[in-house]
Amino acid sequence: GQQLNQSPQSMFIQEGEDVSMNCTSSSIFNTWLWYKQDPGEGPVLLIALYKAGELTSNGRLTAQFGITRKDSFLNISASIPSDVGIYFCAGRIQGAQKLVFGQGTRLTINP
Amino acid sequence: SQTIHQWPATLVQPVGSPLSLECTVEGTSNPNLYWYRQAAGRGLQLLFYSVGIGQISSEVPQNLSASRPQDRQFILSSKKLLLSDSGFYLCAWSRVNNEQFFGPGTRLTVL
Repeated sequence: GQQLNQSPQSMFIQEGEDVSMNCTSSSIFNTWLWYKQDPGEGPVLLIALYKAGELTSNGRLTAQFGITRKDSFLNISASIPSDVGIYFCAGRIQGAQKLVFGQGTRLTINP
Repeated sequence: SQTIHQWPATLVQPVGSPLSLECTVEGTSNPNLYWYRQAAGRGLQLLFYSVGIGQISSEVPQNLSASRPQDRQFILSSKKLLLSDSGFYLCAWSRVNNEQFFGPGTRLTVL
């Protein structure tokens, strides 16, 4: 089945630093989604991407749908303590009812 | 606006006991519904999804079953729990071929 490779698996950064994470796939996706999960809660949708090359921002977050349609990245600028959590990418193949999820990037911020 | 509820929030059950987790969605009709399981510190594993009442697709063979008795109700069940059924269970909904929105989750501990 389809797999998403998400990297890095974990990040330890200082408050104020910028963060970058990405996902790559062996399949072509027509949708890329980025979620954030706080401990003990369900994932929350951050950004949705629907077109190759699309660059979308949500506050300090920016995500891009790769031109090849096989990758996506998420950037967080000027990190703050509330950015701590696990970030998941997810992709959908055209016509599929299911999403394929990456394994997550755990972000830890040192104040 | 749409909301998704999961009940109960936490559950501790002995091995061999039955299980029933409930998920309900408000504010939309004919949603796609999904059950995921998340082991501690791990990614999301899709267990079941449903595109309509009485329509259930199973993703992995296991000790669990799902049912959709009403349009906006999705139930996860087991006749006899195993230790390996412990985890964080997440329900999600989506409109057809759109982003998924997650519920708050149910933490299940099997002893």
